[in-house]
Amino acid sequence: AQSVTQPDIHITVSEGASLELRCNYSYGATPYLFWYVQSPGQGLQLLLKYFSGDTLVQGIKGFEAEFKRSQSSFNLRKPSVHWSDAAEYFCAVVRSNDYKLSFGAGTTVTVRA
Amino acid sequence: EAGVAQSPRYKIIEKRQSVAFWCNPISGHATLYWYQQILGQGPKLLIQFQNNGVVDDSQLPKDRFSAERLKGVDSTLKIQPAKLEDSAVYLCASSLGTSGYEQYFGPGTRLTVT
Repeated sequence: AQSVTQPDIHITVSEGASLELRCNYSYGATPYLFWYVQSPGQGLQLLLKYFSGDTLVQGIKGFEAEFKRSQSSFNLRKPSVHWSDAAEYFCAVVRSNDYKLSFGAGTTVTVRA
Repeated sequence: EAGVAQSPRYKIIEKRQSVAFWCNPISGHATLYWYQQILGQGPKLLIQFQNNGVVDDSQLPKDRFSAERLKGVDSTLKIQPAKLEDSAVYLCASSLGTSGYEQYFGPGTRLTVT
């Protein structure tokens, strides 16, 4: 069964510093991978997705993610965080057997001034 | 383009009471999903509709939860009777197709059961 692991429950980063959120997956075939962001009181917004092709994926709000098959990872990065990036971030995979979206437990990002 | 609408945004009820949540998906989206998001966890799929038919309700606690999408547009999720462990955010999402890609989420309904 495909699953997603986000090892970091909570990350604190200074405004202007770089951010990297880790995501590891298990899969039986080519994974379809996603990163979503959830701001307080809001629904989930899709940041970026990977289906195939170039392993470095650009998303909205200045985020990017890199698919590394050898490490079963799909880490999310941003070179310089803004206070508005404080939110919860979810990595997700579409399961190839039933096409259902399966989420990790999420990483909460706090941005300090 | 209007997004996925949900109401109410917040609800507080006592255990054993009933509650209903409403969702209006993006116009033209055939597939509608209800997720339960417990604090500290990722969303978990409860039920998936395609048009007005149920595609997957394997994770729906059918002894207390029910959902319908009568005209293939908006949907209602009901809990009766509620338990303390039902306290969560209930998210509705919609997509054009059924493959699970490109789901658009509503703001959610935060339910507190006391």
